[in-house]
Amino acid sequence: DTGVSQDPRHKITKRGQNVTFRCDPISEHNRLYWYRQTLGQGPEFLTYFQNEAQLEKSRLLSDRFSAERPKGSFSTLEIQRTEQGDSAMYLCASSLGSDSNEQYFGPGTRLTVT
Amino acid sequence: GNSVTQMEGPVTLSEEAFLTINCTYTATGYPSLFWYVQYPGEGLQLLLKATKADDKGSNKGFEATYRKETTSFHLEKGSVQVSDSAVYFCALRGTGNQFYFGTGTSLTVIP
Repeated sequence: DTGVSQDPRHKITKRGQNVTFRCDPISEHNRLYWYRQTLGQGPEFLTYFQNEAQLEKSRLLSDRFSAERPKGSFSTLEIQRTEQGDSAMYLCASSLGSDSNEQYFGPGTRLTVT
Repeated sequence: GNSVTQMEGPVTLSEEAFLTINCTYTATGYPSLFWYVQYPGEGLQLLLKATKADDKGSNKGFEATYRKETTSFHLEKGSVQVSDSAVYFCALRGTGNQFYFGTGTSLTVIP
């Protein structure tokens, strides 16, 4: 068990560019979550997958954001036409459906939009 | 709606001091409550949880009791160590699968 991994760990991009982040959950975990965390704040829920189905999306997730989990394993989060306000840490977490309370978090991808 | 309010930091304590970090919540229904910890340079880790009223979660000497009457889930430890220095987040899981986190409380324990 290697834990939840995220790639890249850091991303610097110019405003208006598109970025894509990847999350690899713990292998047997069927639930996957994306969060955004800004400095001095707690994680804010963005979206949640059970297997390949995206079951919940936050109102925070504007139409510039899209997430996929095509085969129920890894997930990608894409941000189109990035804005400076998108600068944040993007966290991924996974859990096993039988005990969906316990989430295991990845190290995060820090996005800086210049 | 659902929300979590936790004590603002930073908190600085001497080793072996008593720790309390306050957390109160607003929720519809009967949420599950959690404390997560983030050590320097690491990801968030579940510290303890409680899933119903009057439950006490405990781990690594930390405790928190789910108090429905006061809508609180305060984190306590009787004797902190330098290794407890971290950021602590209170969180709730509502009736769906959305988790709501507090803003975090930074704890520094000095020898």
